[in-house]
Amino acid sequence: DAMVIQNPRYQVTQFGKPVTLSCSQTLNHNVMYWYQQKSSQAPKLLFHYYDKDFNNEADTPDNFQSRRPNTSFCFLDIRSPGLGDAAMYLCATSGRQGTEQFFGPGTRLTVL
Amino acid sequence: GQSLEQPSEVTAVEGAIVQINCTYQTSGFYGLSWYQQHDGGAPTFLSYNALDGLEETGRFSSFLSRSDSYGYLLLQELQMKDSASYFCAVPSTGGGNKLTFGTGTQLKVEL
Repeated sequence: DAMVIQNPRYQVTQFGKPVTLSCSQTLNHNVMYWYQQKSSQAPKLLFHYYDKDFNNEADTPDNFQSRRPNTSFCFLDIRSPGLGDAAMYLCATSGRQGTEQFFGPGTRLTVL
Repeated sequence: GQSLEQPSEVTAVEGAIVQINCTYQTSGFYGLSWYQQHDGGAPTFLSYNALDGLEETGRFSSFLSRSDSYGYLLLQELQMKDSASYFCAVPSTGGGNKLTFGTGTQLKVEL
């Protein structure tokens, strides 16, 4: 089945210790997204790739970076996690129009 | 900017019909999407309305009125498994790929 896969599902890190979350897709979609979602809140877009073009949201902290080495994979790097970065991180994909997005199961990040 | 408002919580009984409203303010409008998210799960696409009117998909229907900047999701024959959060969302200004999500409505279905 075509899908969006995220690894790991749960990640525990220490304050200030870099962490990388990964996402892969078998849908062959052009666009990949990273969202942050905190408890009882809506997903908040951090950035997205349209093919290789990187698009950063204006309010995404510099602490967050992303890489998309090929169509199938996308990574989220958090350089120095703070306690406020504890959240669910969702990867999503879509075709050229983003009205229907396909989400992965998410990675729940805990910062100690 | 864009903003979408939804009721924070709705409670209904199994077998009933429930309507979840969404009002939006956008500088440009390209359609309204709805997503379902169970606790601990990922959002799942339900529907998309680009034009005014009602779109029906099984037990779920979605309605849009562009003149009123308003839409709703209608769930019929409610089941316990429909207990989840529901988000409306609009594409970004210019019709790009990004979605702005509404505040979300937590639906609780009771026996």
